[in-house]
Amino acid sequence: EDQVTQSPEALRLQEGESSSLNCSYTVSGLRGLFWYRQDPGKGPEFLFTLYSAGEEKEKERLKATLTKKESFLHITAPKPEDSATYLCAHRGRDDKIIFGKGTRLHILP
Amino acid sequence: DAGVTQSPTHLIKTRGQQVTLRCSPKSGHDTVSWYQQALGQGPQFIFQYYEEEERQRGNFPDRFSGHQFPNYSSELNVNALLLGDSALYLCASSPTRTSAGHGVYTDTQYFGPGTRLTVL
Repeated sequence: EDQVTQSPEALRLQEGESSSLNCSYTVSGLRGLFWYRQDPGKGPEFLFTLYSAGEEKEKERLKATLTKKESFLHITAPKPEDSATYLCAHRGRDDKIIFGKGTRLHILP
Repeated sequence: DAGVTQSPTHLIKTRGQQVTLRCSPKSGHDTVSWYQQALGQGPQFIFQYYEEEERQRGNFPDRFSGHQFPNYSSELNVNALLLGDSALYLCASSPTRTSAGHGVYTDTQYFGPGTRLTVL
């Protein structure tokens, strides 16, 4: 069964303290691994799409990486405005997109 | 570009009532997907519309139905509302691509702001 598991469920960091969020997945025929940022009560905001193992993408303080079983979202020197829930999702051969439950990230000033 | 828009923003209904939510996709996108997101959970796929037809469906009962119009906008209808239907309903739009390797597939989805439905 296709699944997405994100860890940790919640993470509190001091401003400037770098860390990584994990997304473990099982899927038949990966056709895209997605990262979104979601602020409370709002729709998810697209961050990255990764298609194959070894691929990396960066945007400001965020960097997403992909292996055959996991994806990581690395956050370098975070700021309080990076506080949000980060969602991981994948699309399989059946073209359905499955989301994880997200990691709630809180950056303390 | 206005991005994906949804209406209304908030809605309060009582059990047994029916509700219609609306979505306009991002310019250039022809596929619309609907998701239900309960508090503290990730979005759950309801169904996807392409070329005015339901292309895929998640594990939701027939009380959930939809429609796509020729201009690619879409509606989500929920009949016989239950307390458990209270959630944030998200619409996502994407372009549909065709490739030799993958056939017809949907590209990256972009989400609207959502409609918060409360069932009392």
